Amino acid sequence: DAEITQSPRHKITETGRQVTLACHQTWNHNNMFWYRQDLGHGLRLIHYSYGVQDTNKGEVSDGYSVSRSNTEDLPLTLESAASSQTSVYFCASSESRQGGMDIQYFGAGTRLSVL
Amino acid sequence: DQQVKQNSPSLSVQEGRISILNCDYTNSMFDYFLWYKKYPAEGPTFLISISSIKDKNEDGRFTVFLNKSAKHLSLHIVPSQPGDSAVYFCAASGTGNQFYFGTGTSLTVIP
Repeated sequence: DAEITQSPRHKITETGRQVTLACHQTWNHNNMFWYRQDLGHGLRLIHYSYGVQDTNKGEVSDGYSVSRSNTEDLPLTLESAASSQTSVYFCASSESRQGGMDIQYFGAGTRLSVL
Repeated sequence: DQQVKQNSPSLSVQEGRISILNCDYTNSMFDYFLWYKKYPAEGPTFLISISSIKDKNEDGRFTVFLNKSAKHLSLHIVPSQPGDSAVYFCAASGTGNQFYFGTGTSLTVIP
């Protein structure tokens, strides 16, 4: 069955370190997204990609970067981790539909703690 | 500024009764709306959707109502079951592929 997997599921790191969270989908979807979930804010979009070599900033992109070298993967990098980036991170993917609504399918999440 | 708002952080309902979850949005350009359900330690899963050409969409026990003039949508669950206890997020989009999510409502169905 097609799926979307995130790794690691839990990560503890120190401030200033570079951290990369992995996201891998086997749906063959063109669209991929990274969100963070924080109490009182719901899910906020960090970065997204509509295809290979395409990346775009979301509403909370400062301090994060992504790269899309193939269809299946969209790794999220925290260049220099800060305590404010302690959060639960979700990756999602969707199929592009012309003139329609794209249902996003989510991974199980990565809980990141920055100490 | 939050473009999609769920003003009730939590809701408790007796098993068998109706659960009504509400969502308001501010952007009149939003045409696509989704509801997601999330259990602890899992990712959100798609529940039901509606586009602006409709005012109601039904799928089994779940019905979503859209009032475009009021910029309001609601999710009705009838009858509510203990397995429905979860956090529910509404999401809205103008393009159909990039969504803004609400803050979520935690539903507890009491047996």
